Amino acid sequence: GQNIDQPTEMTATEGAIVQINCTYQTSGFNGLFWYQQHAGEAPTFLSYNVLDGLEEKGRFSSFLSRSKGYSYLLLKELQMKDSASYLCAVLDSNYQLIWGAGTKLIIKP
Amino acid sequence: GAVVSQHPSRVICKSGTSVKIECRSLDFQATTMFWYRQFPKQSLMLMATSNEGSKATYEQGVEKDKFLINHASLTLSTLTVTSAHPEDSSFYICSARDGDTEQYFGPGTRLTVT
Repeated sequence: GQNIDQPTEMTATEGAIVQINCTYQTSGFNGLFWYQQHAGEAPTFLSYNVLDGLEEKGRFSSFLSRSKGYSYLLLKELQMKDSASYLCAVLDSNYQLIWGAGTKLIIKP
Repeated sequence: GAVVSQHPSRVICKSGTSVKIECRSLDFQATTMFWYRQFPKQSLMLMATSNEGSKATYEQGVEKDKFLINHASLTLSTLTVTSAHPEDSSFYICSARDGDTEQYFGPGTRLTVT
């Protein structure tokens, strides 16, 4: 079956760095997405990785290792507004998105 | 970037009535649109995939006669919740795909059935 695992909840301090991990087992792979979702709102796109390595975009970076079925989202210089759920999703061989359950990130002052 | 709109953003309806939700891709043509449902504190659940001009493909456990999907054009898909019940109260989100990869999400519709 297809499976995506990410931690349910994480807590970090304002100004610090946090890494949210995601492991996946899917039928085929056409890329991995990270989305941010604030409570009561739709997801917003953060990053897309299809090749191994690190993609940096401002305070957010995303890493992918296809051989390990592993990705992480790295958030630097955390701000209170970063408190949200972070969703990992994999595009499978049928170009369907397989979603993780999301990681709720709590930022404390 | 690509923009997807949804209307209405919030709707309250009485049990037994039907509600239509519209999803539009504003600045691109979406060959495929997706409808998701999300209950509180849970992840997105794909309900159905619709391709322009053809019947929607429903996920297992989703009643196609209850959740009617019409994808009449490359920029518009509609979801009609028929004979709504309180357990249908949820956050409904559409997304549209341009090409094979990225999906662009609409802002979501909060449905409350009383």
